[in-house]
Amino acid sequence: QKEVEQDPGPLSVPEGAIVSLNCTYSNSAFQYFMWYRQYSRKGPELLMYTYSSGNKEDGRFTAQVDKSSKYISLFIRDSQPSDSATYLCAMSYGNNRLAFGKGNQVVVIP
Amino acid sequence: GAVVSQHPSRVICKSGTSVKIECRSLDFQATTMFWYRQFPKQSLMLMATSNEGSKATYEQGVEKDKFLINHASLTLSTLTVTSAHPEDSSFYICSARDAVAGRPYTQYFGPGTRLTVL
Repeated sequence: QKEVEQDPGPLSVPEGAIVSLNCTYSNSAFQYFMWYRQYSRKGPELLMYTYSSGNKEDGRFTAQVDKSSKYISLFIRDSQPSDSATYLCAMSYGNNRLAFGKGNQVVVIP
Repeated sequence: GAVVSQHPSRVICKSGTSVKIECRSLDFQATTMFWYRQFPKQSLMLMATSNEGSKATYEQGVEKDKFLINHASLTLSTLTVTSAHPEDSSFYICSARDAVAGRPYTQYFGPGTRLTVL
């Protein structure tokens, strides 16, 4: 399994703030870059996916990929208490396998 | 949306016994299913890739004789933890890949199974 770095430190923000998460990787063979949301004791749910460098928006979520720096980010605008969850980055490699980061626990305080 | 179920959601067993976990894709066909293990505050670690009608492919360091995988149909894969020990206690999650869509991100995850070995 290929290595994906994600600082697992918890993150607490006030409601309405922007949440910024990121991951780095070292393997240039990674193809697709995904962000998953996982609630406690549940399976991950796909939030966003990207393939090429650049930004991709979906509502309050923006996924950013910089392949030259091997760095991906997820931004959540106007954060809500319902956004409180663990966010995992994931990257695809051979035979559709996924390598995950450790995840960031996000708490949005009302 | 695509739904993947797992059964049981939680199991407690004695050391030395075997435990079977089922993963089902409820509304789509999955030629490939993946099994992951997740320890507290850790990442999902891929254990094996389960292919319908053929042998599973195990990741490096995963004992295939301990973690038996069977993918007998396009909607069902099973993981059997044989002779379970306390260090096997973990959260086991499966994902199913949509056979039609064909992209890496079209993996749908089950809700997970919490295994506790006493």
